[in-house]
Amino acid sequence: SQQGEEDPQALSIQEGENATMNCSYKTSINNLQWYRQNSGRGLVHLILIRSNEREKHSGRLRVTLDTSKKSSSLLITASRAADTASYFCATDALYQGAQKLVFGQGTRLTINP
Amino acid sequence: ETGVTQSPTHLIKTRGQQVTLRCSSQSGHNTVSWYQQALGQGPQFIFQYYREEENGRGNFPPRFSGLQFPNYSSELNVNALELDDSALYLCASSLPLSGENRGETQYFGPGTRLLVL
Repeated sequence: SQQGEEDPQALSIQEGENATMNCSYKTSINNLQWYRQNSGRGLVHLILIRSNEREKHSGRLRVTLDTSKKSSSLLITASRAADTASYFCATDALYQGAQKLVFGQGTRLTINP
Repeated sequence: ETGVTQSPTHLIKTRGQQVTLRCSSQSGHNTVSWYQQALGQGPQFIFQYYREEENGRGNFPPRFSGLQFPNYSSELNVNALELDDSALYLCASSLPLSGENRGETQYFGPGTRLLVL
């Protein structure tokens, strides 16, 4: 079952604009991660934010986490055509001794030149 | 590039057949996880291997099985293939949970796209 839900499911913006994607989850977490996936290929890790952190930056990426609302957002500033991809949030869960990632369904981001 | 490789990249099988997918972990990573990603969905956890032992399993039937070898490479085997097994299969390697890195970040391979006809 999916833990998180991304919103919106699809987002189309012009190059140079900012893109914001949201993620909600259901259970308590140790951390939340964002991944990018190009054209149905492998996932690339973007950023990890721990449950005791509220905001984190990495280059043009800004992630916020609100554990009281069980939600996170990913902001990509000054978008580029190369940012076109699907973006997934993932929460960690210890399950039978394994650390598994529980993914949402993703946001498909299209950057128009 | 994550340093995680998978083979083959694409595969076509028919219902009832068996398939073996392979994964080579990033150097120094002794934990490997396998995920199934159906079209338009997020990846779903199949199982994880640590030091050649299954370390946890998701909601997948026993016909999904795996192996991890001493060099930490891994295989995913699926028996009696069904049409719904058509998906992208991703492996991810990570450091163990102990230690400063705590193995939280998983590094994914490019995936194997399986089509079952």
